[in-house]
Amino acid sequence: DAKTTQPNSMESNEEEPVHLPCNHSTISGTDYIHWYRQLPSQGPEYVIHGLTSNVNNRMASLAIAEDRKSSTLILHRATLRDAAVYYCILNFPGTYKYIFGTGTRLKVLA
Amino acid sequence: DVKVTQSSRYLVKRTGEKVFLECVQDMDHENMFWYRQDPGLGLRLIYFSYDVKMKEKGDIPEGYSVSREKKERFSLILESASTNQTSMYLCASSLLLSTDTQYFGPGTRLTVL
Repeated sequence: DAKTTQPNSMESNEEEPVHLPCNHSTISGTDYIHWYRQLPSQGPEYVIHGLTSNVNNRMASLAIAEDRKSSTLILHRATLRDAAVYYCILNFPGTYKYIFGTGTRLKVLA
Repeated sequence: DVKVTQSSRYLVKRTGEKVFLECVQDMDHENMFWYRQDPGLGLRLIYFSYDVKMKEKGDIPEGYSVSREKKERFSLILESASTNQTSMYLCASSLLLSTDTQYFGPGTRLTVL
């Protein structure tokens, strides 16, 4: 199974953009890249996913490197409510496998 | 609004007890999942079900069983609870096997004494 590598923790100031990196050098051509986040005392929630092209939604943007060996989740203006653990996950279509790593704990400073 | 509910937020049981964790989803999803979450280990898949009465083992099925008699309900069973099963248990559901979003419940924190 392809693996992902994320920094253990990051800090950001409120109202500033945050770039959360993820390395996935063993990604296969058909693996989708998903991002979930887990707020304190809650289950994980979906943030965004993509395959090759950059993606935007109301929560965040996903920038995928041209060789797909890395990706970056971008929160355009961090708020205190964005403090969470962010997980980068690879998923092969047609399988149930989501391999969660330990994620990046994002701390947002007021 | 999509919803996955779990029967308890906190549960305390004794070693050797049989424990049932219940999960219900209201989205008519085919797939349901049970994970456990431990510090430093992230989320690990215990079992998943892709249809009523159908199940497949995940990465750490030992010591657990599951039951899915109705589409909306997926139960995790600890036949004889042990202290190393103290953990946060998370249920999730999804519509398709491929890229569809998994929706998670709030979790059950189980302590086995």
